[in-house]
Amino acid sequence: QSALTQPASVSGSPGQSITISCTGTSSDVGGYNYVSWYQQHPGKAPKLMIYEVSNRPSGVSNRFSGSKSGNTASLTISGLQAEDEADYYCGSFTSSDTLVFGGGTKVTIL
Amino acid sequence: EVELVESGGGLVQPGGSLRLSCVASGFTFNRYGMNWVRQAPGKGLEWLSYISGSSSTIYYADSVRGRFTSSRDNAKNSLYLQMNSLGAEDTAVYYCARDRRGYILDYCGQGTLVTVSS
Repeated sequence: QSALTQPASVSGSPGQSITISCTGTSSDVGGYNYVSWYQQHPGKAPKLMIYEVSNRPSGVSNRFSGSKSGNTASLTISGLQAEDEADYYCGSFTSSDTLVFGGGTKVTIL
Repeated sequence: EVELVESGGGLVQPGGSLRLSCVASGFTFNRYGMNWVRQAPGKGLEWLSYISGSSSTIYYADSVRGRFTSSRDNAKNSLYLQMNSLGAEDTAVYYCARDRRGYILDYCGQGTLVTVSS
């Protein structure tokens, strides 16, 4: 199972919006709605930010939103804040009953 | 409050074995599937294994199948990962994670570092 494809880095200024893409295949992202997004600060554990494409867990800011079109899922962060600077990973259920992650995207606040 | 605490990491020689543990609290452990995920230094997340609440279903990533074994003891609220034939490529922080459903990892522990080196 190949990793999902994410851009290595995305940057934006405070207050702006950014979007991170996550491209897979019809055997993972495109075939199921079990797509999730995780935020990871340096030295910390991953934190679930979005699940089932577009749902936010309790406590996650509504500045984070998710969507999917075909084989590509997207995470949008609006109103960028300094605390959003982190690594972000997408994950998807696969037709092999496994979990595949994206390579990760480093978000930098300019 | 959900809490997952991993232990058992450390320095091991190539070809050696190690057993990781993850103790869970704050939820009904046997109702949830659990996963192991690792992260090599400076690298991304890699899923390793899933085990269902009853241990009836277990899946592994190709990279560890045949070398790693997941198990759990619901009476002790504990998850385990037995790792054999370790190589340098297994050096990583290992996380246990609760499975909400469909490989949605809603809680992760803080991780335990495994270093494979002579």
